[in-house]
Amino acid sequence: NAGVTQTPKFRVLKTGQSMTLLCAQDMNHEYMYWYRQDPGMGLRLIHYSVGEGTTAKGEVPDGYNVSRLKKQNFLLGLESAAPSQTSVYFCASSYPNRVPNTEAFFGQGTRLTVV
Amino acid sequence: GIQVEQSPPDLILQEGANSTLRCNFSDSVNNLQWFHQNPWGQLINLFYIPSGTKQNGRLSATTVATERYSLLYISSSQTTDSGVYFCAVVKPNFGNEKLTFGTGTRLTIIP
Repeated sequence: NAGVTQTPKFRVLKTGQSMTLLCAQDMNHEYMYWYRQDPGMGLRLIHYSVGEGTTAKGEVPDGYNVSRLKKQNFLLGLESAAPSQTSVYFCASSYPNRVPNTEAFFGQGTRLTVV
Repeated sequence: GIQVEQSPPDLILQEGANSTLRCNFSDSVNNLQWFHQNPWGQLINLFYIPSGTKQNGRLSATTVATERYSLLYISSSQTTDSGVYFCAVVKPNFGNEKLTFGTGTRLTIIP
C-alpha cells in the first residue's frame, strides 16, 4: 500500500524559478489538501480539493496554484519562487468513496529551500 | 474560521512518566484526529476520535464534543514518544470540509 506519495522529497530553487510538487494517492479519496509547515509551527492549509476538477483556497494561498485533473493526483505549483516559500510541504487525502467523516492520511513531506 | 488551541505548548518529562495533552476548539466538529510528528518530520496517525474514548497500547484519547475539547493521554513515556503532537479538526460544512490543525505540543522525554 503506497498511500499518499509526494514527489520530490527535497528541492532547492533559486528565487524566481518555478516548480511543481506532485501528490499521488491510491486510496480512492475524494478530498486532497496541501499544507505548509514552517520551523517550529503547525500546519497551515494552502489549497484543497473536494473532488476531481475542483480546487479551493485555504489559509495561505498567495503565490501558489493547484490543479486536480485526475482524482488520484493533486499538483501544487510555484510560478515564481520566493525565499518566504522555504518550508516543508505536506499533502493529505481523505474521504474514500465519498464517505464523510473519515481520517486523513499524510505524505512524507517535501522540503523546499528557496535561495 | 475555527480556532484550535493545544496545551501545554512544551512538555519535558522523565522516561516512565505519564502526560495529558489538551486540544480545545472553538466550534462544533465532526472529525478530530491526533497526530504525532516524529523527529524526522513524519506525521503519524494516532487516533481518529470525533467523540468518545479510544485506547491503543500506552496511548488513549477522549473527545467531549459538546464541551469542545479532546485529551490525549500517554502513559509510561518512552524516548520514542518525543516529538510534536497535533490535533486537527473538521468543522461541518457539507461538501467543503477543511482539516484545521492546532498549534501543537512539543513533548521531550528524557532518559
